[in-house]
Amino acid sequence: EAGVTQSPTHLIKTRGQQVTLRCSPISGHTSVYWYQQALGLGLQFLLWYDEGEERNRGNFPPRFSGRQFPNYSSELNVNALELEDSALYLCASSLGTTTSQSPLHFGNGTRLTVT
Amino acid sequence: QQQVKQSPQSLIVQKGGISIINCAYENTAFDYFPWYQQFPGKGPALLIAIRPDVSEKKEGRFTISFNKSAKQFSLHIMDSQPGDSATYFCAASMVGNGQGAQKLVFGQGTRLTINP
Repeated sequence: EAGVTQSPTHLIKTRGQQVTLRCSPISGHTSVYWYQQALGLGLQFLLWYDEGEERNRGNFPPRFSGRQFPNYSSELNVNALELEDSALYLCASSLGTTTSQSPLHFGNGTRLTVT
Repeated sequence: QQQVKQSPQSLIVQKGGISIINCAYENTAFDYFPWYQQFPGKGPALLIAIRPDVSEKKEGRFTISFNKSAKQFSLHIMDSQPGDSATYFCAASMVGNGQGAQKLVFGQGTRLTINP
């Protein structure tokens, strides 16, 4: 079984630019989550998509957005990049919406560096 | 109130020793407490998880101890091995809350080093 795949693995952008990160969930998983892992801050919840709809979002500004496609893959878009957006962006997927029944499976992330 | 506080930030244990990582939470609505293990260059992977209806859960060398009244839970790694060297994250969520059931709140992580 293929795991959660993310692309690209690394990305360098300039402040003010826009970036799109991509995620393919495990086959059969309908829920996709995005987390930001900044140095020393643990994992911060960004967005949750299920069945193509945004179900919840974390405490991030509107320039962080995303979507989920009919095949359940997902994109995370970040506009007007700021230096503090430099982080590892992790995508996770799960089979259902109940954590204890279907734990999150994480990809290896996209390392974004904003200069 | 959504925070999960994790300690220590880093931990060095000798091979064969017991590694203990602690977490504390404020939100009494949390009802699911997983631990994730992350190796360099990899995403976090679920290690073990507990619900508040039990005080302890053991899987191999890994044990979660849960103290509901103190709002604390901890991970114990028995007979620690160099291969256990990784960053460990505790987390919490509200399974009963349909809107945020999967909104895991993570601790800040503990970098564990097992010396051979």
